[in-house]
Amino acid sequence: QVQLLQSGAEVKKPGASVKISCKASGYSFTSHYIHWVRQAPGQGLEWTGKINPTSGTTYYTEKFQGRITMTRDTSTSTVYLELNSLRSEDTAVFYCVRLADTYYFDYWGQGTLVTVSS
Amino acid sequence: SYVLTQPPSVSLAPGQTARITCGGIKIGSKSVHWYQQRPGQAPVLVVYDDSDRPAGIPERFSGSNSGNTATLTISRVEAGDEADYYCQVWDSSSDHWVFGGGTKLTVL
Repeated sequence: QVQLLQSGAEVKKPGASVKISCKASGYSFTSHYIHWVRQAPGQGLEWTGKINPTSGTTYYTEKFQGRITMTRDTSTSTVYLELNSLRSEDTAVFYCVRLADTYYFDYWGQGTLVTVSS
Repeated sequence: SYVLTQPPSVSLAPGQTARITCGGIKIGSKSVHWYQQRPGQAPVLVVYDDSDRPAGIPERFSGSNSGNTATLTISRVEAGDEADYYCQVWDSSSDHWVFGGGTKLTVL
């Protein structure tokens, strides 16, 4: 069965960086884009960007451009999200999600809480 | 960028029918997808491509889309349906994936 298993919660200080992972299993890793969706505490879902697991090509929303990097390791079927220059308002749960054959997300990781606090 | 508008909350008694709307300019020309998020859990796809259901989603969940409004309908609402519901589309003009603000469904 398809699974997206994310790394555990992180606590970081302002100005630091965080790198979280998402390991895919149960399907061909290169056959589906992986996207990342952010959810601040008590808020809605926000799309942050995507990565093509085959080529490594990425796209980030303007809000995070310059601070966010998505990468992948095809040997381990893992996608990574790194966020730099953290500030308190970055505190959120990040979900990795698999894009289905059309334009919806059919599988979601369990989420990784990133807390930024001094 | 494209904006999706949902009512913040919907409340009703068990057994009633819930209708959660998602408004957007000419949304009827786009494919709309719906997710259910129970407290403390990751979202789950409940309707895709306006009205299709993934395997395992009860027939009580249905969707429609026309004009400027898409609607998620939940028939015979149960306590277990209490959750936040989000609509989502892909905006071809910007190549962005867009979510509505979410609707909290409360079963009284």
